[in-house]
Amino acid sequence: NFMLTQPHSVSESPGKTVTISCTGSGGSIASNYVQWYQQRPGSAPITVIYEDSQRPSGVPDRFSGSLDISSNSASLTISGLKTEDEADYYCQSYNSLNHGVFGGGTKLTVL
Amino acid sequence: EVQLVQSGVEVKKPGESLKISCKATGYIFTREWIGWVRQKPGKGLEWMGIIFPDDSETTYSPSFQGHVTLSADKSISSAFLQWSSLKSSDTATYYCASGNSGTGFKHWGQGTLVNVSS
Repeated sequence: NFMLTQPHSVSESPGKTVTISCTGSGGSIASNYVQWYQQRPGSAPITVIYEDSQRPSGVPDRFSGSLDISSNSASLTISGLKTEDEADYYCQSYNSLNHGVFGGGTKLTVL
Repeated sequence: EVQLVQSGVEVKKPGESLKISCKATGYIFTREWIGWVRQKPGKGLEWMGIIFPDDSETTYSPSFQGHVTLSADKSISSAFLQWSSLKSSDTATYYCASGNSGTGFKHWGQGTLVNVSS
């Protein structure tokens, strides 16, 4: 059963760089694309990364996505942190039956 | 501009039926999948299922199969999520989102809060 595991929370200072991991288990992270969604408090999610590393139009290039096959994980990196980046971040991919799978979410605090 | 506009807040009693909607504008409705995501209060996102509006092909998460029904109406560019008998455990915010199969969601609706209480 394919699962995605994220750290519960991370924190970093404004202007710094933070990386959020998303580790796959029960299958290869490289078998299907990974997406990342940002959800600010009280708001709907928005897509910040799709197809592992692609940024939708309007998403700042401070956001980047990558895969590390050796650790079976995906990562979301946010550079030049701003207070507006404070949000919950979810990774998402698919299992072998094409059912979507979300990670548990990571709360990013910018302090 | 792609927009997904969902129907409003629903307050229902256990056992009642419900159908919520998601209207798409700004793209060709029949060319992208529409998915539904549940978020219980204070919890994470849960992938419920997806539908391809052109032929109504659907894929359900095993956790939701048999409990909800996805449908779409091409003539009004709208997708629907329905329950025949609500439970209090269905209390959540439900999001629709559009995208391509296997590549996740690109655009999201604003969410529909469903409150089921006796």
